[in-house]
Amino acid sequence: AQSVTQPDIHITVSEGASLELRCNYSYGATPYLFWYVQSPGQGLQLLLKYFSGDTLVQGIKGFEAEFKRSQSSFNLRKPSVHWSDAAEYFCAVGGTSYGKLTFGQGTILTVHP
Amino acid sequence: DAGITQSPRHKVTETGTPVTLRCHQTENHRYMYWYRQDPGHGLRLIHYSYGVKDTDKGEVSDGYSVSRSKTEDFLLTLESATSSQTSVYFCAISEGAGQQFFGPGTRLTVL
Repeated sequence: AQSVTQPDIHITVSEGASLELRCNYSYGATPYLFWYVQSPGQGLQLLLKYFSGDTLVQGIKGFEAEFKRSQSSFNLRKPSVHWSDAAEYFCAVGGTSYGKLTFGQGTILTVHP
Repeated sequence: DAGITQSPRHKVTETGTPVTLRCHQTENHRYMYWYRQDPGHGLRLIHYSYGVKDTDKGEVSDGYSVSRSKTEDFLLTLESATSSQTSVYFCAISEGAGQQFFGPGTRLTVL
């Protein structure tokens, strides 16, 4: 069975600091990996995705993520956080089976001025 | 933004009453999904559809049923709502093994 673990429930950073959100997955085949962001009261917006190829993927809003097969990880990074990045972030894994996704529990990001 | 709407956006109901949530898409995507979102659990798949009249269960399907009579509409029904079904419900669509696009969500409160 596929699963996703986001070890950090809540992270607080100062504006301008770097950010790394962790994601570990379990999947029996080559995974498709996603990071979504959710602002309060909103739906989910895709930040970036990995299907194959270059293991470092670039997304919107200056985010990037690196796929490390040996560590079963897909961590999200941003070199300098802005106050508007405060939100909840979800990592998800899926494959070719009807496009179904399994989500992690989410990480809430708080940004201090 | 993908053309996905959910109705109603907010609903308060009483235990034991039936509730139907509607998801409508204008993208003609084949796959549709219903999730519930609860604190500490992320999003969990309730049911999904891979075509008109083709549906299957997700990981938290007990107490829920779905129907899809047209490509654009996917209905989620709580036959007899319970307080444990108080949640935010999201609909999503996709063309298969790729990105899912999410609707704005429905906040359901069961008293």
